[in-house]
Amino acid sequence: GEDVEQSLFLSVREGDSSVINCTYTDSSSTYLYWYKQEPGAGLQLLTYIFSNMDMKQDQRLTVLLNKKDKHLSLRIADTQTGDSAIYFCAERAGNNRKLIWGLGTSLAVNP
Amino acid sequence: EAGVAQSPRYKIIEKRQSVAFWCNPISGHATLYWYQQILGQGPKLLIQFQNNGVVDDSQLPKDRFSAERLKGVDSTLKIQPAKLEDSAVYLCASSPFPREPNEKLFFGSGTQLSVL
Repeated sequence: GEDVEQSLFLSVREGDSSVINCTYTDSSSTYLYWYKQEPGAGLQLLTYIFSNMDMKQDQRLTVLLNKKDKHLSLRIADTQTGDSAIYFCAERAGNNRKLIWGLGTSLAVNP
Repeated sequence: EAGVAQSPRYKIIEKRQSVAFWCNPISGHATLYWYQQILGQGPKLLIQFQNNGVVDDSQLPKDRFSAERLKGVDSTLKIQPAKLEDSAVYLCASSPFPREPNEKLFFGSGTQLSVL
């Protein structure tokens, strides 16, 4: 079946890099997404990657995709306190192309 | 560009009462989604509309939940009667390209429902 897994918590110091990991099971995934949810807010699309790409960089964000291992990661360079949030990995998979969501990784940035 | 608007922001009700949530999507977005997000979990799709037609309501508990999207713009989600396990944040999202590979969802801030 379709499943997306993430580690639940990550704590980093301000200025360090953060790496949030995600694994998925559906090999037919087309696009994989990272959404950010700040406290009391809705989800905001951060970035996405097409399944035939290995890497995508967007300013402080780097997405790495290992399709063989079905592993996706989001690296945030120079992490700031404003990056503290829950980060959700999602894949678009299956014949009906539904979005399958992970449980989210809570990122805490310590000054 | 205005975002997805939802109201109310918070709602507290007793079990067995009824409640309704409202969503106004981004102008021109044909697709509208209602998600349920229980604390500590990812969003769970309840229903998807394409214009004013239902595309997917397979995970909507139809014995107590109902949703409509009249005129293909605003939408309401109703729970009647509410149960304790319905306590969650109800998120509305819209998108211009339904289920296309590069579809991006735009979310509202959600309605936080507490059922006592």
